[in-house]
Amino acid sequence: AQTVTQSQPEMSVQEAETVTLSCTYDTSESDYYLFWYKQPPSRQMILVIRQEAYKQQNATENRFSVNFQKAAKSFSLKISDSQLGDAAMYFCALKTYLSNFGNEKLTFGTGTRLTIIP
Amino acid sequence: GAVVSQHPSRVICKSGTSVKIECRSLDFQATTMFWYRQFPKQSLMLMATSNEGSKATYEQGVEKDKFLINHASLTLSTLTVTSAHPEDSSFYICSARVVMSYEQYFGPGTRLTVT
Repeated sequence: AQTVTQSQPEMSVQEAETVTLSCTYDTSESDYYLFWYKQPPSRQMILVIRQEAYKQQNATENRFSVNFQKAAKSFSLKISDSQLGDAAMYFCALKTYLSNFGNEKLTFGTGTRLTIIP
Repeated sequence: GAVVSQHPSRVICKSGTSVKIECRSLDFQATTMFWYRQFPKQSLMLMATSNEGSKATYEQGVEKDKFLINHASLTLSTLTVTSAHPEDSSFYICSARVVMSYEQYFGPGTRLTVT
């Protein structure tokens, strides 16, 4: 069974500062993907960043970067130069690798609500 | 980018009636679509995986006779909540996976209220 744990229900950061959201996971699979999704008040899920487990290099997307520690099963998200538009619920998610693109399961954490302080 | 739409965005129905929610991939073909349920201030829980032209695969604890899923084409999947009850009130989100990709694109969700 796959589990994703986000231990920070709420976080806040001053505008322009940096914040790190934590995520740990557990899976018995050797190949998998990790994601961070953002859900603003509109409830539309938006992909922030993706990390393939076989890649050692941490993924980066503009102001968003991850710290992927495979041995520790940790996948934290760092947001640099925080902006008001970053305020949202952030979900960490885990998906196992399937070679046949068949049934799969995206398991979400419980989310971290990020508040940006002007 | 890939766009997924859902219709309706909000629906109110009376207890005992059925309601259908549509999920469409607008600019890509999706062999697989997923249906999630999200309770207030909680995470997304996968209800079922829908593959085009075949029966949906339901997660443990999800009643397949209550939540009917049809994926008749590469761009449309529907979720029908049959004999709805107030406890079925929730936010339902679909997602679609691009063919030969691990990327899922999410719809904007449908808020169902059963009175």
